[in-house]
Amino acid sequence: GAVVSQHPSRVICKSGTSVKIECRSLDFQATTMFWYRQFPKQSLMLMATSNEGSKATYEQGVEKDKFLINHASLTLSTLTVTSAHPEDSSFYICSARETVRGDEQFFGPGTRLTVL
Amino acid sequence: GQQLNQSPQSMFIQEGEDVSMNCTSSSIFNTWLWYKQDPGEGPVLLIALYKAGELTSNGRLTAQFGITRKDSFLNISASIPSDVGIYFCAGRFQGAQKLVFGQGTRLTINP
Repeated sequence: GAVVSQHPSRVICKSGTSVKIECRSLDFQATTMFWYRQFPKQSLMLMATSNEGSKATYEQGVEKDKFLINHASLTLSTLTVTSAHPEDSSFYICSARETVRGDEQFFGPGTRLTVL
Repeated sequence: GQQLNQSPQSMFIQEGEDVSMNCTSSSIFNTWLWYKQDPGEGPVLLIALYKAGELTSNGRLTAQFGITRKDSFLNISASIPSDVGIYFCAGRFQGAQKLVFGQGTRLTINP
């Protein structure tokens, strides 16, 4: 299967700071990437859909000024959590849609964010 | 919003047993995907289904795209300890970009 990387895998930051998470498709080009948030023992919650070269589409209830998404190339999307607060602590996972070999969606390994 | 009903929510089985889980929806999907997630990791794609009635295997895993396009099942034969984890189904509507996820099935295996 196709490979998606995420960096960093784990980050601890102070309240009020901003944190950037990178998502890369390593062996395929992804015009569409997705950002999810997952709470303990729950399913994945889609935050936004990111299309290369255009503005991200945010799900209802997700603050776009809080969670900045940039999809500057066909292999890289970034999520920046601005002015992070403890309630932003969570597991963030990106995924990328691969449409050449099929129509599948591959996930990164996730980023554990802890805001103190 | 659109939802997938995944069942069972959890399973406790003995090693070597077969496992079956399914997802149903009131809406028609164009694509069904099955994922496995280990603790602290991202979901890993197991099987992708694109046609109604399609039956696809991946080793000991078998999944089917329901004829009505509103359901899918995943079977695991002869379970082993590394099968432990959470399994998610996901569906995509025709023309849509995003996936709709089931609630997950947590599989626990007693040795």
